[in-house]
Amino acid sequence: DSGVTQTPKHLITATGQRVTLRCSPRSGDLSVYWYQQSLDQGLQFLIQYYNGEERAKGNILERFSAQQFPDLHSELNLSSLELGDSALYFCASSWDSRSYEQYFGPGTRLTVT
Amino acid sequence: GDSVTQMEGPVTLSEEAFLTINCTYTATGYPSLFWYVQYPGEGLQLLLKATKADDKGSNKGFEATYRKETTSFHLEKGSVQVSDSAVYFCALSDAMSEKLVFGKGMKLTVNP
Repeated sequence: DSGVTQTPKHLITATGQRVTLRCSPRSGDLSVYWYQQSLDQGLQFLIQYYNGEERAKGNILERFSAQQFPDLHSELNLSSLELGDSALYFCASSWDSRSYEQYFGPGTRLTVT
Repeated sequence: GDSVTQMEGPVTLSEEAFLTINCTYTATGYPSLFWYVQYPGEGLQLLLKATKADDKGSNKGFEATYRKETTSFHLEKGSVQVSDSAVYFCALSDAMSEKLVFGKGMKLTVNP
Protein backbone atom coordinates (compact mmCIF):
# COMPACT_ATOMS: atom_id res chain seq x y z
CA ASP A 1 0.00 0.00 0.00
CA SER A 2 1.59 3.24 -1.20
CA GLY A 3 -0.53 5.49 1.02
CA VAL A 4 -2.02 7.26 -2.00
CA THR A 5 -5.75 6.78 -2.39
CA GLN A 6 -7.86 7.29 -5.48
CA THR A 7 -11.60 7.24 -5.93
CA PRO A 8 -13.54 5.86 -7.61
CA LYS A 9 -11.83 2.64 -8.63
CA HIS A 10 -13.98 2.24 -11.73
CA LEU A 11 -16.09 4.72 -13.66
CA ILE A 12 -18.32 4.03 -16.65
CA THR A 13 -19.89 6.97 -18.41
CA ALA A 14 -21.16 8.08 -21.81
CA THR A 15 -19.59 10.29 -24.44
CA GLY A 16 -20.10 13.98 -23.82
CA GLN A 17 -20.31 13.60 -20.06
CA ARG A 18 -18.10 15.10 -17.33
CA VAL A 19 -16.41 13.20 -14.50
CA THR A 20 -14.22 14.03 -11.52
CA LEU A 21 -11.45 11.79 -10.26
CA ARG A 22 -10.17 12.27 -6.75
CA CYS A 23 -6.75 11.67 -5.23
CA SER A 24 -5.44 11.91 -1.67
CA PRO A 25 -1.65 11.99 -1.45
CA ARG A 26 0.49 10.27 1.18
CA SER A 27 0.55 12.04 4.50
CA GLY A 28 3.12 14.83 4.33
CA ASP A 29 3.48 14.83 0.53
CA LEU A 30 2.99 18.24 -1.08
CA SER A 31 3.22 17.29 -4.76
CA VAL A 32 0.52 15.50 -6.72
CA TYR A 33 0.97 14.21 -10.27
CA TRP A 34 -1.65 12.89 -12.67
CA TYR A 35 -0.90 10.31 -15.37
CA GLN A 36 -2.95 8.65 -18.08
CA GLN A 37 -2.20 5.06 -19.06
CA SER A 38 -3.65 3.73 -22.28
CA LEU A 39 -2.73 0.84 -24.55
CA ASP A 40 -1.72 3.03 -27.48
CA GLN A 41 -0.09 5.97 -25.67
CA GLY A 42 1.50 4.19 -22.73
CA LEU A 43 1.97 6.16 -19.51
CA GLN A 44 1.66 9.88 -20.12
CA PHE A 45 2.24 12.67 -17.62
CA LEU A 46 -0.69 15.06 -17.50
CA ILE A 47 -0.12 17.67 -14.80
CA GLN A 48 1.62 18.35 -11.48
CA TYR A 49 0.55 20.43 -8.49
CA TYR A 50 2.77 21.46 -5.62
CA ASN A 51 1.22 22.82 -2.43
CA GLY A 52 -1.84 24.07 -4.27
CA GLU A 53 -0.10 25.60 -7.27
CA GLU A 54 0.24 24.18 -10.77
CA ARG A 55 3.89 23.23 -11.22
CA ALA A 56 4.23 21.44 -14.53
CA LYS A 57 2.00 20.57 -17.44
CA GLY A 58 2.34 17.64 -19.81
CA ASN A 59 0.09 16.22 -22.49
CA ILE A 60 -3.15 17.39 -20.91
CA LEU A 61 -6.07 18.19 -23.18
CA GLU A 62 -7.93 21.48 -22.84
CA ARG A 63 -11.06 19.46 -21.93
CA PHE A 64 -9.21 18.27 -18.83
CA SER A 65 -8.41 20.34 -15.76
CA ALA A 66 -7.12 19.71 -12.28
CA GLN A 67 -6.72 21.43 -8.97
CA GLN A 68 -5.17 20.83 -5.58
CA PHE A 69 -7.06 21.91 -2.49
CA PRO A 70 -5.75 23.35 0.80
CA ASP A 71 -5.90 19.89 2.40
CA LEU A 72 -3.64 18.78 -0.49
CA HIS A 73 -6.07 16.35 -2.09
CA SER A 74 -6.43 16.79 -5.83
CA GLU A 75 -9.17 16.38 -8.37
CA LEU A 76 -8.90 15.75 -12.11
CA ASN A 77 -11.89 16.93 -14.09
CA LEU A 78 -12.53 15.40 -17.52
CA SER A 79 -15.26 16.96 -19.65
CA SER A 80 -16.87 16.42 -23.07
CA LEU A 81 -15.65 12.85 -22.81
CA GLU A 82 -14.75 10.91 -25.93
CA LEU A 83 -14.28 7.19 -26.48
CA GLY A 84 -10.53 7.77 -26.68
CA ASP A 85 -10.46 9.08 -23.12
CA SER A 86 -11.03 5.55 -21.84
CA ALA A 87 -7.90 4.75 -19.84
CA LEU A 88 -6.41 4.18 -16.42
CA TYR A 89 -5.76 7.44 -14.60
CA PHE A 90 -3.09 7.35 -11.94
CA CYS A 91 -2.30 9.85 -9.26
CA ALA A 92 1.13 9.94 -7.64
CA SER A 93 2.59 12.00 -4.83
CA SER A 94 5.99 13.02 -3.58
CA TRP A 95 7.09 15.07 -0.60
CA ASP A 96 8.60 17.92 -2.61
CA SER A 97 8.42 19.41 -6.06
CA ARG A 98 11.19 17.19 -7.45
CA SER A 99 9.95 13.86 -8.74
CA TYR A 100 12.83 11.80 -7.37
CA GLU A 101 10.51 9.29 -5.84
CA GLN A 102 6.84 9.20 -6.62
CA TYR A 103 4.28 6.99 -4.90
CA PHE A 104 1.42 5.86 -7.09
CA GLY A 105 -2.19 5.24 -6.22
CA PRO A 106 -4.10 2.18 -7.50
CA GLY A 107 -5.67 4.16 -10.34
CA THR A 108 -9.15 4.92 -11.61
CA ARG A 109 -10.29 2.97 -14.65
CA LEU A 110 -12.47 5.18 -16.85
CA THR A 111 -14.60 3.59 -19.54
CA VAL A 112 -16.41 5.91 -21.93
CA THR A 113 -19.19 4.22 -23.91
CA GLY B 1 12.68 16.41 -25.46
CA ASP B 2 13.61 13.73 -22.99
CA SER B 3 12.73 10.17 -23.91
CA VAL B 4 13.14 6.59 -22.73
CA THR B 5 13.36 3.55 -24.98
CA GLN B 6 12.97 0.11 -23.53
CA MET B 7 12.28 -3.44 -24.63
CA GLU B 8 8.53 -3.81 -24.96
CA GLY B 9 7.99 -7.56 -24.96
CA PRO B 10 5.92 -9.34 -23.89
CA VAL B 11 8.51 -11.73 -22.54
CA THR B 12 7.87 -15.16 -21.03
CA LEU B 13 10.54 -16.86 -18.93
CA SER B 14 10.77 -19.99 -16.86
CA GLU B 15 11.34 -19.73 -13.13
CA GLU B 16 15.02 -19.27 -12.18
CA ALA B 17 15.90 -17.88 -15.62
CA PHE B 18 18.11 -14.79 -16.00
CA LEU B 19 16.35 -11.56 -16.83
CA THR B 20 17.64 -8.51 -18.69
CA ILE B 21 15.42 -5.63 -19.75
CA ASN B 22 17.22 -3.04 -21.83
CA CYS B 23 16.61 0.65 -21.30
CA THR B 24 18.28 3.62 -22.98
CA TYR B 25 17.51 7.28 -22.57
CA THR B 26 17.88 10.65 -24.21
CA ALA B 27 18.04 13.67 -21.94
CA THR B 28 19.67 17.03 -21.54
CA GLY B 29 21.62 17.42 -18.35
CA TYR B 30 21.96 14.64 -15.81
CA PRO B 31 18.70 12.88 -15.14
CA SER B 32 17.86 10.49 -12.34
CA LEU B 33 16.87 7.04 -13.56
CA PHE B 34 14.23 4.68 -12.22
CA TRP B 35 12.66 1.30 -12.68
CA TYR B 36 9.00 1.04 -11.70
CA VAL B 37 6.99 -2.20 -11.55
CA GLN B 38 3.25 -2.62 -12.00
CA TYR B 39 1.75 -5.84 -10.67
CA PRO B 40 -1.59 -6.95 -12.12
CA GLY B 41 -4.43 -4.68 -11.01
CA GLU B 42 -2.16 -2.34 -9.05
CA GLY B 43 -0.49 1.03 -9.41
CA LEU B 44 3.18 1.49 -10.15
CA GLN B 45 5.75 0.86 -7.43
CA LEU B 46 9.28 2.16 -7.39
CA LEU B 47 11.61 -0.82 -7.78
CA LEU B 48 14.99 0.91 -7.76
CA LYS B 49 16.68 4.17 -8.69
CA ALA B 50 20.05 5.76 -9.45
CA THR B 51 20.70 9.47 -9.29
CA LYS B 52 24.17 9.82 -10.82
CA ALA B 53 26.53 8.12 -13.23
CA ASP B 54 27.92 4.73 -12.13
CA ASP B 55 25.39 4.44 -9.30
CA LYS B 56 23.89 0.97 -8.95
CA GLY B 57 20.31 0.66 -7.76
CA SER B 58 19.21 -2.64 -6.27
CA ASN B 59 16.11 -4.10 -4.65
CA LYS B 60 14.49 -7.55 -4.32
CA GLY B 61 17.31 -9.15 -6.31
CA PHE B 62 16.99 -6.68 -9.21
CA GLU B 63 19.90 -4.44 -10.18
CA ALA B 64 20.53 -1.64 -12.65
CA THR B 65 23.61 0.53 -13.19
CA TYR B 66 23.50 4.11 -14.48
CA ARG B 67 25.81 4.15 -17.51
CA LYS B 68 26.32 7.68 -18.74
CA GLU B 69 28.67 6.69 -21.57
CA THR B 70 26.04 4.43 -23.15
CA THR B 71 23.00 6.36 -21.77
CA SER B 72 21.63 3.09 -20.45
CA PHE B 73 20.02 1.70 -17.31
CA HIS B 74 19.43 -2.00 -17.99
CA LEU B 75 17.51 -4.02 -15.41
CA GLU B 76 18.83 -7.46 -14.44
CA LYS B 77 17.87 -10.28 -12.12
CA GLY B 78 19.80 -13.49 -11.81
CA SER B 79 16.89 -15.81 -11.05
CA VAL B 80 13.30 -14.74 -11.64
CA GLN B 81 10.33 -16.05 -9.70
CA VAL B 82 6.67 -16.46 -10.62
CA SER B 83 5.94 -13.49 -8.32
CA ASP B 84 8.06 -11.25 -10.58
CA SER B 85 5.38 -11.43 -13.27
CA ALA B 86 4.48 -7.80 -13.87
CA VAL B 87 4.97 -4.87 -16.22
CA TYR B 88 8.33 -3.09 -15.84
CA PHE B 89 8.78 0.58 -16.71
CA CYS B 90 12.04 2.43 -17.12
CA ALA B 91 11.77 6.16 -16.38
CA LEU B 92 13.85 9.28 -16.03
CA SER B 93 13.44 12.46 -14.09
CA ASP B 94 15.02 15.62 -15.32
CA ALA B 95 15.56 18.13 -12.52
CA MET B 96 14.72 20.93 -14.94
CA SER B 97 11.31 19.54 -15.88
CA GLU B 98 10.40 17.95 -12.53
CA LYS B 99 8.39 15.21 -14.14
CA LEU B 100 8.86 11.52 -14.89
CA VAL B 101 9.20 10.36 -18.47
CA PHE B 102 8.37 6.68 -18.89
CA GLY B 103 9.24 4.06 -21.43
CA LYS B 104 6.37 2.03 -22.90
CA GLY B 105 6.72 -0.77 -20.37
CA MET B 106 7.53 -4.46 -20.76
CA LYS B 107 5.23 -7.23 -19.65
CA LEU B 108 7.05 -10.15 -18.05
CA THR B 109 5.42 -13.50 -17.38
CA VAL B 110 7.33 -16.09 -15.36
CA ASN B 111 6.10 -19.68 -15.58
CA PRO B 112 6.75 -22.33 -12.92
